[in-house]
Amino acid sequence: DTGVSQDPRHKITKRGQNVTFRCDPISEHNRLYWYRQTLGQGPEFLTYFQNEAQLEKSRLLSDRFSAERPKGSFSTLEIQRTEQGDSAMYLCASSLAQDAAKNIQYFGAGTRLSVL
Amino acid sequence: AQKVTQAQTEISVVEKEDVTLDCVYETRDTTYYLFWYKQPPSGELVFLIRRNSFDEQNEISGRYSWNFQKSTSSFNFTITASQVVDSAVYFCALRVTDSWGKLQFGAGTQVVVTP
Repeated sequence: DTGVSQDPRHKITKRGQNVTFRCDPISEHNRLYWYRQTLGQGPEFLTYFQNEAQLEKSRLLSDRFSAERPKGSFSTLEIQRTEQGDSAMYLCASSLAQDAAKNIQYFGAGTRLSVL
Repeated sequence: AQKVTQAQTEISVVEKEDVTLDCVYETRDTTYYLFWYKQPPSGELVFLIRRNSFDEQNEISGRYSWNFQKSTSSFNFTITASQVVDSAVYFCALRVTDSWGKLQFGAGTQVVVTP
């Protein structure tokens, strides 16, 4: 059973460029989460999918951010017109929502974004 | 609103010493779940333990133990006989039942274990 996979691991981009990250969850997991982590802080929730439906978005997710999970499997997070403040680690997590007690989120290694 | 506070920014110990990490949480919900995750330098958050709000029994799992006290809203975590491989950032997190499972994390505590 493979874990949560994220690609790329590192991304360096120039301000104003668009970037896209991919997350492949654990295969049978129907819930998928995106978090953002800045240096010295804990992860902050960005958005959540159950299967292909995006059910919640944080206020942190500005209009420049969009996430998709088209077939209920992998997910992509796109940032348009990147700004230096977008520099952070973007973490993906997945879980199996059979019941609340079993809803443990398993995280990928993250994509570290640096905006120059 | 939910909040998790980890007041300790960094703890340094010598190998084989015990390490206790503090976590204080705030929530108005009566049913919630508390977690500890470990983040080594590789970056991946590793799940360690979970506790339900309706079960205050404290447990030991290998070198890990935790002390959950609802009366003080604390969920402290102890590593016994620390090892160099325990060096990482440890995060406490809170999940309430109506939040679609999203986690509210504390700022983390850096644990440095030296030989």
